[in-house]
Amino acid sequence: SQTIHQWPATLVQPVGSPLSLECTVEGTSNPNLYWYRQAAGRGLQLLFYSVGIGQISSEVPQNLSASRPQDRQFILSSKKLLLSDSGFYLCAWSISGTSRSGANVLTFGAGSRLTVL
Amino acid sequence: GQQLNQSPQSMFIQEGEDVSMNCTSSSIFNTWLWYKQDPGEGPVLLIALYKAGELTSNGRLTAQFGITRKDSFLNISASIPSDVGIYFCAGQKRGGADGLTFGKGTHLIIQP
Repeated sequence: SQTIHQWPATLVQPVGSPLSLECTVEGTSNPNLYWYRQAAGRGLQLLFYSVGIGQISSEVPQNLSASRPQDRQFILSSKKLLLSDSGFYLCAWSISGTSRSGANVLTFGAGSRLTVL
Repeated sequence: GQQLNQSPQSMFIQEGEDVSMNCTSSSIFNTWLWYKQDPGEGPVLLIALYKAGELTSNGRLTAQFGITRKDSFLNISASIPSDVGIYFCAGQKRGGADGLTFGKGTHLIIQP
């Protein structure tokens, strides 16, 4: 069966420090990978998605970047964190291609809570 | 960008009551999904809907894909304490890889 792992689960960082959140998926090949941010326990905002190694699409301009060095590894980074980067970051995966009516059903990781002080 | 309007924002109900929440959009979606998020965890898929008019159940949960493709509802019957959490609707317009558009969530609180 497929599993998704995110770490660290909790992170407290000072403003201006770098960030690296990691996500890995097991039990599948060539998944689509996603990073979402959730502010104040509410809506989910898509930050980045990737359909393959080295292929990153950014949905919103921001202080963050993403990389996919391996097929099942997705990394969210920042060179200098801002206070506004605080939030709950969720990694997700879906099967590549389309299924049934084309739905990309996402499976989420447990999340990484980032607090920037 | 795409917007899903989810309501109500919060619900305070008594244990045993039925719950109803919905999502609407000004755009047509090809797929509607409903997720539940427990505190401090990632959302978990509850129900996926792929056809306009489709009505699908998962235990005490029932969801429908609106005929116009612009709305969906989720009902929970006979609520229990473990139903507490945030429920999200999500939609996708096409079969691309660019993820889902999420509603802002309905926070369900159950009073014993």
